[in-house]
Amino acid sequence: GAVVSQHPSRVICKSGTSVKIECRSLDFQATTMFWYRQFPKQSLMLMATSNEGSKATYEQGVEKDKFLINHASLTLSTLTVTSAHPEDSSFYICSATRLAGGGTTGELFFGEGSRLTVL
Amino acid sequence: AQSVAQPEDQVNVAEGNPLTVKCTYSVSGNPYLFWYVQYPNRGLQFLLKYITGDNLVKGSYGFEAEFNKSQTSFHLKKPSALVSDSALYFCAVRDDSWGKLQFGAGTQVVVTP
Repeated sequence: GAVVSQHPSRVICKSGTSVKIECRSLDFQATTMFWYRQFPKQSLMLMATSNEGSKATYEQGVEKDKFLINHASLTLSTLTVTSAHPEDSSFYICSATRLAGGGTTGELFFGEGSRLTVL
Repeated sequence: AQSVAQPEDQVNVAEGNPLTVKCTYSVSGNPYLFWYVQYPNRGLQFLLKYITGDNLVKGSYGFEAEFNKSQTSFHLKKPSALVSDSALYFCAVRDDSWGKLQFGAGTQVVVTP
């Protein structure tokens, strides 16, 4: 199956610092990657859609200057939480769709998630 | 607009008994339907999908789901639950291959020995 690697799995930082989370598709090329945020015992909230080589599309209410997304290649997307504050503490999950014969197979493949704690 | 509903916050079942997790959806076009499972502090694992074809879809770990167009449902089932099936289950829908995936609220499954 397709593997998506997310790093780091846990990060603790001080308020005001920036944190970068990486999402890599290890054995396939991902045309599109998605970044989600999940609060405890809640569903996933889509933050942004990231296409390789172009600017990310952010969902309504998500600050693009706070959550910087870069999709530099077909296997790597990064999410940078800038000037993090305690309210940014959350579980962040990335996912990717697989490029197959010019289309997609439909399902998303998810990373293991990154637990961010801002002190 | 697309939406998905999981009416049960939690499902409790004894080990060895059948497990059903309910999901209904609403899309404007043909639905692409998915089930994912999430263990604590982990990402989501793909279980199965319905795109087209046979209404009964078989997936990973002995799970299956039945697409019912008239009832707009896609319930997840397992004939005999295991304690290790205890996890959070998400139903998801998109209305085309490239559309955004809309997740349900999730259903916590608790399987007791």
